[in-house]
Amino acid sequence: AQSVAQPEDQVNVAEGNPLTVKCTYSVSGNPYLFWYVQYPNRGLQFLLKYITGDNLVKGSYGFEAEFNKSQTSFHLKKPSALVSDSALYFCVPNLYGNNRLAFGKGNQVVVIP
Amino acid sequence: EAQVTQNPRYLITVTGKKLTVTCSQNMNHEYMSWYRQDPGLGLRQIYYSMNVEVTDKGDVPEGYKVSRKEKRNFPLILESPSPNQTSLYFCASSPGLGNEKLFFGSGTQLSVL
Repeated sequence: AQSVAQPEDQVNVAEGNPLTVKCTYSVSGNPYLFWYVQYPNRGLQFLLKYITGDNLVKGSYGFEAEFNKSQTSFHLKKPSALVSDSALYFCVPNLYGNNRLAFGKGNQVVVIP
Repeated sequence: EAQVTQNPRYLITVTGKKLTVTCSQNMNHEYMSWYRQDPGLGLRQIYYSMNVEVTDKGDVPEGYKVSRKEKRNFPLILESPSPNQTSLYFCASSPGLGNEKLFFGSGTQLSVL
């Protein structure tokens, strides 16, 4: 079974400071890893994914994430947070052939002006 | 424009009155799925479909039905809604799962009185 841990329910960061949203996963095999974001009153949007290759993945809106196989982590980062980055973020692992994605509760990010 | 369209956006109904939430995608995606989002519980998968006439249960299928008669449409049917089905519902589609991202609809906020 696959599971994901996003250890902090809420991440507070001041505008302009670096933003990190942590994710560790427990999936057997070589997972694909995704980050999705849900802005207030909106559906989820894809941010970025790791499939294979370079461990550092760049995505939308200035976000990037680093895959660390030994630590089974896929932390999301942004060098300088904006108030508009305040949203709910989901780390989602998946395996080839698996059709049931586990989204979990996500991480609420609050960027303070 | 590539999109997943859900209707209605908001729905208030009474216990036992059958309802259908429609979902349509214009990307010729094979995979479609329904999720519900509840505070503290995150996103949970209700049903998914790998292709026309192929559907399967997700994590919380009780009280719901789906059908996939055409590739583009994947309606969610509540035959006899109950108050515990009050939730925010999302439809999503993907070319196939595994390493492909999901495209989400804007959501349907359902209240069952």
